[in-house]
Amino acid sequence: GENVEQHPSTLSVQEGDSAVIKCTYSDSASNYFPWYKQELGKRPQLIIDIRSNVGEKKDQRIAVTLNKTAKHFSLHITETQPEDSAVYFCAAGNQFYFGTGTSLTVIP
Amino acid sequence: NAGVMQNPRHLVRRRGQEARLRCSPVKGHSHVYWYRQLPEEGLKFMVYLQKENIIDESGMPKERFSAEFPKEGPSILRIQQVVRGDSAAYFCASSPGLFADEETQYFGPGTRLLVL
Repeated sequence: GENVEQHPSTLSVQEGDSAVIKCTYSDSASNYFPWYKQELGKRPQLIIDIRSNVGEKKDQRIAVTLNKTAKHFSLHITETQPEDSAVYFCAAGNQFYFGTGTSLTVIP
Repeated sequence: NAGVMQNPRHLVRRRGQEARLRCSPVKGHSHVYWYRQLPEEGLKFMVYLQKENIIDESGMPKERFSAEFPKEGPSILRIQQVVRGDSAAYFCASSPGLFADEETQYFGPGTRLLVL
């Protein structure tokens, strides 16, 4: 099955700085890579996703890049705000094997 | 988020009792997934179902756990003879299908199970 690794496990940034979270996956057949944001006590919410036929996708302050050859993909958040503080999960594979999560803290 | 419903939101059981968790997917979604999340941990895949069929149960313990998604009604995750280690948040997600543009999963609010 798929194996997804996510780094770092915790990340603190100053408000306005950028944050980058990286994931690697093992199954070269995986072709869909979503990112979810989970606030404390709430459900995971999809924030952006990318499919294997593109290398980059942007949505306002959020972007995802995918390198299929190296089997890694990254989440980029620019101009971070305190409300970006949450746990972020990457996933890969049809059954969604999730990474272990990154706890992001944006310091005002 | 397209409105996956789960109930109950909180469930307290004593060791040895049964827990039944319900999930109503987004209307029109025929694929349901169950995940378990331990405190401050990630989401662990348990089982993937389509209407009346279990497609992949590789993440679900073989004993005490079962899942179903009948033709009518919600999907049910059933835990028999619960133990304290079953205490966790159980999330359900649904998607329209598996083809491109259909595989996005939408999560419900979760059921927090506490075993005393």
